[in-house]
Amino acid sequence: QSVLTQPPSVSGAPGQRVTISCTGSSSNIGAGYNVHWYQQLPGTGPKLLIYTNINRPSGVPDRFSGSKSGTSASLAITGLQADDEADYYCQSYDSSLSVWVFGGGTKLTVL
Amino acid sequence: QVQLQESGPGLVKPSQTLSLTCTVSGDSISSGSNYWSWIRQPAGKGLEWIGRIYSSGSTNYIPSLRSRVTMSVDTSKNQFSLKLSSVTAADTAVYYCARDALTSSGNWFDPWGQGTLVTVSS
Repeated sequence: QSVLTQPPSVSGAPGQRVTISCTGSSSNIGAGYNVHWYQQLPGTGPKLLIYTNINRPSGVPDRFSGSKSGTSASLAITGLQADDEADYYCQSYDSSLSVWVFGGGTKLTVL
Repeated sequence: QVQLQESGPGLVKPSQTLSLTCTVSGDSISSGSNYWSWIRQPAGKGLEWIGRIYSSGSTNYIPSLRSRVTMSVDTSKNQFSLKLSSVTAADTAVYYCARDALTSSGNWFDPWGQGTLVTVSS
């Protein structure tokens, strides 16, 4: 059971918008720790998608955006494409555990 | 472009020690600009941060594994390593190494290695 809670799966048709939530608590996201997002394509290592809640690394399309409010964060993907099909993970820091923690991951299916 | 590559045995017997090395190219561990982390992912499951090491050799480990984990760094080879002792089947996972950004905005992992599967079995 992960410290950060994500929906196991989301889906959407090409061109649509989907959001993936990441719910934490007062010892991680709610304590003000930043949230980062990763995309993991099948058989590969995770790739940084969003850092510090809202920032995109160079090369990440602006179809991907992040937000954070209270004890939760969200990743939004607009204009869904077939190659967006992947697992997505959120990550933050937990002060009560003193470790960096990940969400359980969300599998995005493009219908 | 920064690249990380894990290496080590893919099969380890129960109770023995798992040993992996991460070779970094395109960045210098000794620059002191980053930490260097190990993260694992059991099959079909999520990601678990194991620990990190700084160029000085300073380490941080996840409490649940602290008694079994040792990390080290070899700046002359631009490598860092993971040892996990007394392994069981529960330690079977894909192990990733990653650069751990050292910033005032928090820590994120970028880039990651491709990962190496370690199976614990007799």
